[in-house]
Amino acid sequence: DTGVSQDPRHKITKRGQNVTFRCDPISEHNRLYWYRQTLGQGPEFLTYFQNEAQLEKSRLLSDRFSAERPKGSFSTLEIQRTEQGDSAMYLCASSFPTRGRLNYGYTFGSGTRLTVV
Amino acid sequence: GENVEQHPSTLSVQEGDSAVIKCTYSDSASNYFPWYKQELGKGPQLIIDIRSNVGEKKDQRIAVTLNKTAKHFSLHITETQPEDSAVYFCAASIGNYGNNRLAFGKGNQVVVIP
Repeated sequence: DTGVSQDPRHKITKRGQNVTFRCDPISEHNRLYWYRQTLGQGPEFLTYFQNEAQLEKSRLLSDRFSAERPKGSFSTLEIQRTEQGDSAMYLCASSFPTRGRLNYGYTFGSGTRLTVV
Repeated sequence: GENVEQHPSTLSVQEGDSAVIKCTYSDSASNYFPWYKQELGKGPQLIIDIRSNVGEKKDQRIAVTLNKTAKHFSLHITETQPEDSAVYFCAASIGNYGNNRLAFGKGNQVVVIP
């Protein structure tokens, strides 16, 4: 296993189209996160899963966004009716909690860069 | 919510000199503070982290210090090399509820001049 994989690396779409991104986490990691990063900014939290359960969603995640992790392994992030403001890098990360430690670093993928034209 | 700020936004150093990046945070409940390095076209890579029960941590040329009273933490890179050129992000855990959500700063562009 070579880390967190994201597909595609780049996506150009027309405004109003739907897009779906895929993330394959490190296999033994049970937590999976989606972040969004715009130019010149740090990543912003969107949502996270523990196994197949989506435990938290940011207010940034409008009704047009949906994320799934059906079998607790890979995850998909879908954006419906894309808008130009959705243009960003979408980063996926995964982690595995260590007993006794509530917070721990996670491993990011290389991201999917979305451009809405 | 948590607000994380980084200073300076851009830092240029001569190869071999030290680089220091400072971050402040607002949520007193934050208890985990990682630093990430991001190179062009790649995702952020964890380089070092510190938890609230320690004040300093070192890993070879990289060190992080934490002052919980003042709510600031810093990244120190010694003997900088050209491959240290990248954008560095500090982050702080949002609360201490074990969900591991992070709030990130805007990043610092570090340029190491050969």
